[in-house]
Amino acid sequence: DIPVTQSPSTLSASVGDTVTFTCRASQSFSNSLAWFQHKPGKAPKLLIYKTSILETDVPSRFSGSGSGTEFTLTISGLQPDDFATYYCQHYETYWTFGQGTKVEVK
Amino acid sequence: EVQLVESGGGLVQPGGSLRLSCEASGILFSGSEMNWVRQAPGKGLEWIAYINYMGSATYYADSVRGRFTISRDNAKKSLYLEMTGLTNDDTATYYCVKEKVQRGRRQYVFDVWGQGTKVTVSS
Repeated sequence: DIPVTQSPSTLSASVGDTVTFTCRASQSFSNSLAWFQHKPGKAPKLLIYKTSILETDVPSRFSGSGSGTEFTLTISGLQPDDFATYYCQHYETYWTFGQGTKVEVK
Repeated sequence: EVQLVESGGGLVQPGGSLRLSCEASGILFSGSEMNWVRQAPGKGLEWIAYINYMGSATYYADSVRGRFTISRDNAKKSLYLEMTGLTNDDTATYYCVKEKVQRGRRQYVFDVWGQGTKVTVSS
């Protein structure tokens, strides 16, 4: 399976900011890329799948894009509830997660 | 309410065994592909095992293949993970996870997660 690398590992931001995370692969793959939000002690939450499809009930400030070897998650207008760690996930033969990007208060 | 509830975690010695369970409610469990995902302390998420809706196909990550066994009982709406030969590297929170299905088609992504059960391997 193709490993995926997330950057940055930590991102400092303020409420209202627009933030973007990147998930990169060493080889091009299809649009089987998903994004999750994870808070300590809670279950991870699916935000986006197939690169850009917003999961039901996920706020529209979250958006995903990309193709080939580079995919991005953007939060337009960061809210207090958005401070968390975000993971990308790729499926090929098996499921592979990126290392995560932690969004912390600036 | 859609819910997955894991149980069975705890403290176990290296080389020991443990069986995790996951009880589902609010979903069509017998039609759901299920997985286990874990997160070691301070680390990211790691997929470790998959089972199809009938229980006839299973896949494992290299890190657990040969030591862990995933199984299910659709009548009991339950998923299991039998873990043997445990090492310190298996210390983690283990999540029971359902794969998303849309219009009858697998989406190869996880849409329902349990709260997790903690496994600590230590002497």
